[in-house]
Amino acid sequence: NAGVMQNPRHLVRRRGQEARLRCSPVKGHSHVYWYRQLPEEGLKFMVYLQKENIIDESGMPKERFSAEFPKEGPSILRIQQVVRGDSAAYFCASSPAANYGYTFGSGTRLTVV
Amino acid sequence: AQTVTQSQPEMSVQEAETVTLSCTYDTSESDYYLFWYKQPPSRQMILVIRQEAYKQQNATENRFSVNFQKAAKSFSLKISDSQLGDAAMYFCAYANAGNNRKLIWGLGTSLAVNP
Repeated sequence: NAGVMQNPRHLVRRRGQEARLRCSPVKGHSHVYWYRQLPEEGLKFMVYLQKENIIDESGMPKERFSAEFPKEGPSILRIQQVVRGDSAAYFCASSPAANYGYTFGSGTRLTVV
Repeated sequence: AQTVTQSQPEMSVQEAETVTLSCTYDTSESDYYLFWYKQPPSRQMILVIRQEAYKQQNATENRFSVNFQKAAKSFSLKISDSQLGDAAMYFCAYANAGNNRKLIWGLGTSLAVNP
């Protein structure tokens, strides 16, 4: 009974490159949330997705960031043309449809050099 | 918009003693959920305890209990018989009931446990 799997665990990108973060939810969970944790800060909501649909992207920066949760495969958070300020830990959480049983992944730490 | 405030950036407790971490929140909703999460150095976010707003009884999980004061919008976490393994960042979080269940987070309290 695997939990939420996030990969890679650590990602280093040079400024201007693309970062692609993957999240495989718990089997049977149809809701995925992405959060960002900047150094010395709490988590900030980014985006909420259900299969093939973006439900709430109010926390996503308007440019360079996108997310998807396809019918098959993991959820992807994509950051284009990364800048130093994108350096953070990115967490994914999933939950089933019927309750508030969130399960978190271990996060991806993105470092932009 | 909902907000969550943790006014204690750092706390410390002696092993085997009791410590209380504070959390207040602001919402106009009547139905919602409150959570305490623990984040050890491994970075894994671990659920400590959860409270449904419609329940008057305070949630309890072994050594962890909450004092939920709905009218005051207060949700404090009490850790009894503190252990070295309790040392971590503790985050208070809020979620509306309903379809969009995104979590709104406090800034966290760093708890040190002294032997």
